[in-house]
Amino acid sequence: DAGVIQSPRHEVTEMGQEVTLRCKPISGHNSLFWYRQTMMRGLELLIYFNNNVPIDDSGMPEDRFSAKMPNASFSTLKIQPSEPRDSAVYFCASSSGLPYNEQFFGPGTRLTVL
Amino acid sequence: AQSVTQPDIHITVSEGASLELRCNYSYGATPYLFWYVQSPGQGLQLLLKYFSGDTLVQGIKGFEAEFKRSQSSFNLRKPSVHWSDAAEYFCAVALLSGGYQKVTFGIGTKLQVIP
Repeated sequence: DAGVIQSPRHEVTEMGQEVTLRCKPISGHNSLFWYRQTMMRGLELLIYFNNNVPIDDSGMPEDRFSAKMPNASFSTLKIQPSEPRDSAVYFCASSSGLPYNEQFFGPGTRLTVL
Repeated sequence: AQSVTQPDIHITVSEGASLELRCNYSYGATPYLFWYVQSPGQGLQLLLKYFSGDTLVQGIKGFEAEFKRSQSSFNLRKPSVHWSDAAEYFCAVALLSGGYQKVTFGIGTKLQVIP
């Protein structure tokens, strides 16, 4: 398996623009997580999907952030409009089976908002 | 709510020396505990996990961790560090809530290995 795939790996955009980050989880995994990592706040869980349904979005910072999972093999995280404080590395992770199975992380998308 | 504390933000050790990274958690019951490693520019990779049973767990790359309930700790150890171990290490706690897992990560400890 290719592991969790994220695209793009790097994104540079200007404030106010829409940004869409993409994730393809490992085939067969039924849970998907979006995280944001910054120096100041560390690794923060943004949203968690189980069987394509959003279960916990309490970590989504504000209405500018939205996430979807239209099917088991694809998820998006959208920021509209983007702001400089959104600059961070965004990780997607997936897991399967029992609740405490490990999460497999993608390589991340480094977002820079100018 | 559960929380995870990694008191050391940055640690420097010499190659070949022993290593211990500290992790303390706050949770009423016995939590499910993990250590992940993040190499520069990459995502996190699981080193080891503890659910129950033997309190000393072995992981990949020669790492081990010991769960101590009395100290609410789950410290990561390695007897002899290699230069390739330079990375950031994250302790994590999971609990089952409403039928799904909620994982909280610590702030991370950045390990530097010097020759």
